[in-house]
Amino acid sequence: AQRVTQPEKLLSVFKGAPVELKCNYSYSGSPELFWYVQYSRQRLQLLLRHISRESIKGFTADLNKGETSFHLKKPFAQEEDSAMYYCALSGQGGSGGSNYKLTFGKGTLLTVNP
Amino acid sequence: DVKVTQSSRYLVKRTGEKVFLECVQDMDHENMFWYRQDPGLGLRLIYFSYDVKMKEKGDIPEGYSVSREKKERFSLILESASTNQTSMYLCASSGWSDGYTFGSGTRLTVV
Repeated sequence: AQRVTQPEKLLSVFKGAPVELKCNYSYSGSPELFWYVQYSRQRLQLLLRHISRESIKGFTADLNKGETSFHLKKPFAQEEDSAMYYCALSGQGGSGGSNYKLTFGKGTLLTVNP
Repeated sequence: DVKVTQSSRYLVKRTGEKVFLECVQDMDHENMFWYRQDPGLGLRLIYFSYDVKMKEKGDIPEGYSVSREKKERFSLILESASTNQTSMYLCASSGWSDGYTFGSGTRLTVV
């Protein structure tokens, strides 16, 4: 069974401070990991995926297979980063549609205070 | 940009009613998904479909069914709505090499 754990429901930081949103996963094969973000009154949107190794809006995330983690980091938080963040996992392709289903964590609500 | 459109933003239904939630995507994606989003529980997969007329149960299919007669449309059906099905329902689609694109959601209240 695949599982995603986000241990913090709420995270509050001050503007300019570093931020780290934690994500741990459980999966028997080779997972693909994602971070999704939902700003207030907007639809859920992809922030980044580990295979692309991009930095989006200053956020990065590194897949650590040894620790089964995919923590999201940003060195200097901005007020506009306040949002709900979800970590998600799927299988890596292969036959059958079930590898493409995303399993989400319960989310972390990030608040960046001025 | 891929567009995923959910037909209703808000719905209020009575207990016992049959409820249809519609979702349409315009990018010829093979895969479509229905999730419900609840505070403190995150997103939970109800059903998904990876081809026309194909469907698979997700993690919480009880009380729901789905229909995918055309590639672009994926409907979620609540056979007999109950108050514990009050939630935000999110539809998503993806291709085999794309990430997910989500609709804006339908907030369903069952009274």
